[in-house]
Amino acid sequence: EADIYQTPRYLVIGTGKKITLECSQTMGHDKMYWYQQDPGMELHLIHYSYGVNSTEKGDLSSESTVSRIRTEHFPLTLESARPSHTSQYLCASSRGGQQFFGPGTRLTVL
Amino acid sequence: QKEVEQNSGPLSVPEGAIASLNCTYSDRGSQSFFWYRQYSGKSPELIMSIYSNGDKEDGRFTAQLNKASQYVSLLIRDSQPSDSATYLCAVNGGSGGGADGLTFGKGTHLIIQP
Repeated sequence: EADIYQTPRYLVIGTGKKITLECSQTMGHDKMYWYQQDPGMELHLIHYSYGVNSTEKGDLSSESTVSRIRTEHFPLTLESARPSHTSQYLCASSRGGQQFFGPGTRLTVL
Repeated sequence: QKEVEQNSGPLSVPEGAIASLNCTYSDRGSQSFFWYRQYSGKSPELIMSIYSNGDKEDGRFTAQLNKASQYVSLLIRDSQPSDSATYLCAVNGGSGGGADGLTFGKGTHLIIQP
């Protein structure tokens, strides 16, 4: 079944740790996105990719980085986590303008 | 600055009634319009897309688009308690995301009262 996956679903980590949030999709979509969303607040685009070896920064400034070595895989990395990074991170992919979201990763940095 | 505006609510509707959610957008060049449903703590789920003026119906949901007025709406007929969620309006375009990039509104919180 074609889908979009994110791991881990929940992560609690200490300040200064390096973390990678995983996102994979089996829908064959070229375009992928990372959004950040605080509880009850709007979605903010932080990174996107048109395809392999393409990455762009989104509307919201973020200290995270992304890579796109394979079509199906779009991981997000924080080199040194801080409490201000506590949020929900949503991955999405699209074709024909319709975006489909993964289940999200809820990150808490202590 | 491309914007999508929604009333944040909460919008309270009795069970069985019609819920009407509205959205306005600023970019006249926008071509694609979407409604997402987001339950608390979950990710957004695409429920409707509309690309041309008029109405589009899918089950209990009807999306309405008026490009001249830059207005999109979502009607939910026979509202059920399970429809209680935040509804996000999304419009293609915006400052990021390329041709498929979407600008999201802040969402309307809908409560269906049993």
